[in-house]
Amino acid sequence: ETGVTQTPRHLVMGMTNKKSLKCEQHLGHNAMYWYKQSAKKPLELMFVYNFKEQTENNSVPSRFSPECPNSSHLFLHLHTLQPEDSALYLCASSQLQGGEKLFFGSGTQLSVL
Amino acid sequence: QKEVEQDPGPLSVPEGAIVSLNCTYSNSAFQYFMWYRQYSRKGPELLMYTYSSGNKEDGRFTAQVDKSSKYISLFIRDSQPSDSATYLCAMIANYGQNFVFGPGTRLSVLP
Repeated sequence: ETGVTQTPRHLVMGMTNKKSLKCEQHLGHNAMYWYKQSAKKPLELMFVYNFKEQTENNSVPSRFSPECPNSSHLFLHLHTLQPEDSALYLCASSQLQGGEKLFFGSGTQLSVL
Repeated sequence: QKEVEQDPGPLSVPEGAIVSLNCTYSNSAFQYFMWYRQYSRKGPELLMYTYSSGNKEDGRFTAQVDKSSKYISLFIRDSQPSDSATYLCAMIANYGQNFVFGPGTRLSVLP
């Protein structure tokens, strides 16, 4: 198993659908993150969970809803998305107070029609 | 002024060239510095990690941090076509802070 696993790798959804992105980290880290990466734009931090508690919500629209049931799993629930939400969604994890390195999954390429 | 600035490129070099990638930053509190390599439609891969100032070498890659100038660099020696990717710099001040990324430089190494 690689360090941070994301599923699905690709997702196409209509604007009225509900779907969820899943992330699992096998590194024993205590912080997990969702980032959005749009074409020709820098990485945008969406959510941060430290020790399962959400510590950051970077003005993300409510149509994105994160869930962190334990320190190894992270979900991003999606509903009534807009075409401009099409992007690569990246999950990452780090060990706070352990060198501050960030490790990414391969991402979910999301297309909203 | 943006917190981290990076020339977006694209940068095209011939195979075997020495490549220099750079980032400048404004927050003097940053202590941990990272370089990521990202292939198209993949997640960023941690390439180099440096704490505070100085140089770090790993094979063909050398990372340099100059905190007095708020400037970091990544050097790639004997560049290969497989090095063609987007390179992102990232930095963080300390525990509990957020990682801050540069916009990335797209590199093409031509055979």
